[in-house]
Order: sequence, then structure tokens, then C-alpha cells
Amino acid sequence: RKEVEQDPGPFNVPEGATVAFNCTYSNSASQSFFWYRQDCRKEPKLLMSVYSSGNEDGRFTAQLNRASQYISLLIRDSKLSDSATYLCVVKEVWGSQGNLIFGKGTKLSVKP
Amino acid sequence: DTGVSQDPRHKITKRGQNVTFRCDPISEHNRLYWYRQTLGQGPEFLTYFQNEAQLEKSRLLSDRFSAERPKGSFSTLEIQRTEQGDSAMYLCASRTEDQETQYFGPGTRLLVL
Repeated sequence: RKEVEQDPGPFNVPEGATVAFNCTYSNSASQSFFWYRQDCRKEPKLLMSVYSSGNEDGRFTAQLNRASQYISLLIRDSKLSDSATYLCVVKEVWGSQGNLIFGKGTKLSVKP
Repeated sequence: DTGVSQDPRHKITKRGQNVTFRCDPISEHNRLYWYRQTLGQGPEFLTYFQNEAQLEKSRLLSDRFSAERPKGSFSTLEIQRTEQGDSAMYLCASRTEDQETQYFGPGTRLLVL
């Protein structure tokens, strides 16, 4: 079983659509959670951290369900520039130790 | 540019050759990470340094791979006797001691023929 699992997509959506990505993780001791964005042939960049209470950053909303070991990312009013691969990332050790475990990523393509 | 830099950006080599990649982290970042990413996969952790000390190595890091960070600033990743399976993007990331966010460099894309 993979440590972090995501639907690879691709998700093809029209501009203005709302799209949701899901991710599950296997290690219940995981403590920190993130969504990274990766454009084609570029490096990953942090999109947002995910907090237990859920958090929002503009058109992006992240949710965490520790009981189900499930993380989600919602993108509202999709823009063409949102086209990228979205990586679900988990860090297993609290605080400054621990390494990032990446999912394979979900590819999003926003069409005009 | 004060971000993480990596050199070279691309490398093509023949099977059996040795290659070395360099990473320059953000200057005040004492933690430095190496990852490998193959097509259709997320980055996979290889190793990390706190200052000059290499504190953890993944089982992915075979004995053909060696990483150093001699002065606690830039780091090098060497692959000896390259194999076609080593073809991948090698990513470096850095962060400060008290910050969770890792900042990635642009990567070195390796192709082993």
C-alpha cells in the first residue's frame, strides 16, 4: 500500500468550474500535511499547508480528516493558470524532524 | 535570484559514467534535502543534511550514490557507474531549522543512455 495515494487524473474542467482533489495517507502518526503545485517540467512549489480545522486561501480550500486519514483540496472558479499537477504531501514526524512523503500527483487541465 | 539553485539543469551521460550534481540552498537554510522524481511519480526522498551532517538516507540511495555538504552550504550528489534506471529529475530543497516549508530548486534532469 502506497503511503500517500491520489487519483492521478487527469481532471479536465472548463474555466470557472469547481474541482476537488482527494488524497489518503496510510500512516496515522502523520502530523503535517501540505498541497504542493508542480507545473510541467518545473519544481514543486508549496500551495498551502493543511490544518485540522480546515483552511482557505482565496479560491483554494484544504480540509483534513484525521479519523479517515483523508485530505482534500477544493479549487473554486478555476482559471487557465490553475492547470498543473497537484501533489498531496505528508510529513510523518511532528516539528522540525521528518521528511516529506509525496503522492504521485493529480493532473488538472483547465480549458477555455 | 536568492532561491535554491542547481547545476547543471540537464545532463546526458552514457551508462557506466559518473555524474555529479550541485545544489546551492537559500543562504540561511541549514537543512538541505535531495529528492528524485521519475515521470508520473511524486518526488521521492533520498537524503538530508542538517548543516554539514548527513542525518538520514533513504533505502533508495544505493551505494553508487553519495552526497556531501562539506561546509554546510552547497551540496553535491554523485552517482557512480550510472544505470539507465537512474534517469530522473534530481531535486534539491532547503529550509530553516524552525520552518516546515521546503523550497525546491529547479532540478537537474539526468538522462542515462
